[in-house]
Amino acid sequence: EIVLTQSPDFQSVTPKEKVTITCRASQSIGSSLHWYQQKPDQSPKLLIKYASQSISGVPSRFSGSGSGTDFTLTINSLEAEDAATYYCHQSSSLPTFGGGTKVEIK
Amino acid sequence: QVQLVQSGAEVKKPGSSVKVSCKASGGTFSSYAISWVRQAPGQGLEWMGRIIPILGIANYAQKFQGRVTITADKSTSTAYMELSSLRSEDTAVYYCASHTPPDYWGQGTLVTVSS
Repeated sequence: EIVLTQSPDFQSVTPKEKVTITCRASQSIGSSLHWYQQKPDQSPKLLIKYASQSISGVPSRFSGSGSGTDFTLTINSLEAEDAATYYCHQSSSLPTFGGGTKVEIK
Repeated sequence: QVQLVQSGAEVKKPGSSVKVSCKASGGTFSSYAISWVRQAPGQGLEWMGRIIPILGIANYAQKFQGRVTITADKSTSTAYMELSSLRSEDTAVYYCASHTPPDYWGQGTLVTVSS
């Protein structure tokens, strides 16, 4: 099983600040890494697919990068509505999720 | 636009089984993967398994092998997830989601396991 390790677990950020979340895979997964946002009592929402591909309707302040084992989700100029938990997810082999990163607005 | 509608909340006794349904509309049901993901209270997302209806083949996370069965009925565009030998730790919201990566999600079904 491919283990995804996210960091940090929690981040408290002021509006307009830049947020960087990392996801490390236990083995190479190419670009088969995706990012989700989940708000309380809601289903997850796909933000970025295949490491860096944007999703229609997702604000352009969300971007992704990386390949192999190391990936990054960047939120440029954080907005209050971005308070949520973010998960990485790999589909290279049997899928798995990272443990999540909770982003709180100061 | 795919829509996934799941069955309602369930309360089950330890040792019993639960079967959750996920009815799809829009898109071509048979051609995309349907995954099942669960989330225990206050915890993260956990992938359980998936099926591609046109192939009729399901894959399962090792943790759930032997305890979970995922099926699909192409005639009704409905996927099912059955989890057996329930224990309290299986209390969670169970989601179905379609495509790879999962792009469309059901509303979630709360399964409570309690004596």
